Amino acid sequence: ETGVTQSPTHLIKTRGQQVTLRCSSQSGHNTVSWYQQALGQGPQFIFQYYREEENGRGNFPPRFSGLQFPNYSSELNVNALELDDSALYLCASSFIGAGQQQPQHFGDGTRLSIL
Amino acid sequence: GQNIDQPTEMTATEGAIVQINCTYQTSGFNGLFWYQQHAGEAPTFLSYNVLDGLEEKGRFSSFLSRSKGYSYLLLKELQMKDSASYLCAVKGPRSNDYKLSFGAGTTVTVRA
Repeated sequence: ETGVTQSPTHLIKTRGQQVTLRCSSQSGHNTVSWYQQALGQGPQFIFQYYREEENGRGNFPPRFSGLQFPNYSSELNVNALELDDSALYLCASSFIGAGQQQPQHFGDGTRLSIL
Repeated sequence: GQNIDQPTEMTATEGAIVQINCTYQTSGFNGLFWYQQHAGEAPTFLSYNVLDGLEEKGRFSSFLSRSKGYSYLLLKELQMKDSASYLCAVKGPRSNDYKLSFGAGTTVTVRA
């Protein structure tokens, strides 16, 4: 069973730039969620994708956007990067089916640093 | 909104027991999760409670009281490798979504 994989592992950008982070969900999973984790804090929910559509969004501005593809992989896009966007970005996948929900499994994350 | 509180740090001795408390005030509740996160690594799933009571899984147990908005994670026979951050997370508010609201985490340090 292949787990959740994210790329890249680390990334350095400057203010105002745009970034795309990628996630391959665990095999058999159909839902992907993205979280932002600042140092010393718990992960904060950004949004979730189910069947290629956004299925819930946290308190993040529209410059945070995403996609889910037919193979259930996903992208997180952030435009007009700000210094406060420096964080660990975590992707988590799970399976949601008829009457069944499984725990989310997390990838190792992408460490994004904004200079 | 979601408000989830847990202690910032705890220290215990190898072989001992530690209990990490979590209190929550949320607009909806569809279950509570505990995750373990070692520094620089992904959170890994430990336990899930949706009904009141105790769930036991080897050295780890988790308890939930929905009426009190309270949960705890019990770690028995502590090992050095248990030194990590422990995250309490509430699922909801809708039953058909998978939004997890996390606490800030409790850093547990196990000493020899």
